[in-house]
Amino acid sequence: GESVGLHLPTLSVQEGDNSIINCAYSNSASDYFIWYKQESGKGPQFIIDIRSNMDKRQGQRVTVLLNKTVKHLSLQIAATQPGDSAVYFCAENLLNTGTASKLTFGTGTRLQVTL
Amino acid sequence: ETGVTQTPRHLVMGMTNKKSLKCEQHLGHNAMYWYKQSAKKPLELMFVYNFKEQTENNSVPSRFSPECPNSSHLFLHLHTLQPEDSALYLCASSQGSGTISSPLHFGNGTRLTVT
Repeated sequence: GESVGLHLPTLSVQEGDNSIINCAYSNSASDYFIWYKQESGKGPQFIIDIRSNMDKRQGQRVTVLLNKTVKHLSLQIAATQPGDSAVYFCAENLLNTGTASKLTFGTGTRLQVTL
Repeated sequence: ETGVTQTPRHLVMGMTNKKSLKCEQHLGHNAMYWYKQSAKKPLELMFVYNFKEQTENNSVPSRFSPECPNSSHLFLHLHTLQPEDSALYLCASSQGSGTISSPLHFGNGTRLTVT
């Protein structure tokens, strides 16, 4: 049969509106979370991170919210621009025990910005 | 431009060929990683090196052989690959050991096609 690619959920947002991308993580022991943006033909690009001792962190036009009770992470993008169109991944990391970070990635959400 | 450079950007190889992927980071990091990104699965961790020592082999088949001669360079040697190994291979680096997790910085990947 024909191979089927990974189905990515898609969020379509009008330029200038705010975007909210959600992610459910799997491990309650994870203590560090990152959002990445991946444009076509490029590798994932770091956007913002948050540690488990925080509920919210803000960057330039982006905010990450962490709800440990329900293991949920969200990325909010203010005033979405066409250049924000990409696939967004969340990643989680278990408590660092002195070795390198070992991230587990979600499946990703495709953000489409319409004019 | 990313601080992690991968070559080649594209590679087509037959199942009996031997080839190598190269990665170089200019960020002064101590940890380097290989990830596989295919259409059917989320980003998969393959190998982790911390201070040139391999600390993670995520059940990767022996037809993939990593090499890390120093903290700035990472190779992935390929031999007798299968068509299902066709994917985007991403290299990343991070600050490495310590009690604080740090984000991974990715290169733009090598698009590998096995014929």
